[in-house]
Amino acid sequence: GENVEQHPSTLSVQEGDSAVIKCTYSDSASNYFPWYKQELGKRPQLIIDIRSNVGEKKDQRIAVTLNKTAKHFSLHITETQPEDSAVYFCAARGYSSASKIIFGSGTRLSIRP
Amino acid sequence: GAGVSQSPSNKVTEKGKDVELRCDPISGHTALYWYRQSLGQGLEFLIYFQGNSAPDKSGLPSDRFSAERTGGSVSTLTIQRTQQEDSAVYLCASSLDSQGGQPQHFGDGTRLSIL
Repeated sequence: GENVEQHPSTLSVQEGDSAVIKCTYSDSASNYFPWYKQELGKRPQLIIDIRSNVGEKKDQRIAVTLNKTAKHFSLHITETQPEDSAVYFCAARGYSSASKIIFGSGTRLSIRP
Repeated sequence: GAGVSQSPSNKVTEKGKDVELRCDPISGHTALYWYRQSLGQGLEFLIYFQGNSAPDKSGLPSDRFSAERTGGSVSTLTIQRTQQEDSAVYLCASSLDSQGGQPQHFGDGTRLSIL
């Protein structure tokens, strides 16, 4: 079955700097890769997703890159702000409708003022 | 439109009691997931319902846990003979699942505390 590994588990960056979170997956048939942000005491919310037919997707300060050959994908946050502080989860899902989504273990991002 | 609704939002019960947690998914969403999240931890998969297919129960931690989904809509997660280690936030998520993947929408969760 699919396995998703996420690194680092914690990340602290200076406000205004960039943050990068990396994930690897095991199932080469996976074709959908969402990223979720969970603020303290809140529900996880989708911030960006990418499908296997593209290599990069960008939405304002957030971008995701996908390397299908190496089976890894990354989240990039530029010009970080205090409100970016949260736990971020990557996930992967196979093509079949029977495939369940598999989450990484999460990265706690802290933005230093 | 309405999002995923979970009830109750908080539940405090004594060890050994049974509890039922409810999830109302977004209308039309065929896929429904239950997760457990302990304080400061990740999302522990419990069970996955997809349309009329048999549910994927591979994440249920013991036979004290069970879930059902009636009419392809509302789902109930039942924990029998609760233990203190069952204390956690139980999250439900639904999606317009299809081949190729669709984003999940999470509810606010039920915070379960076992005394």
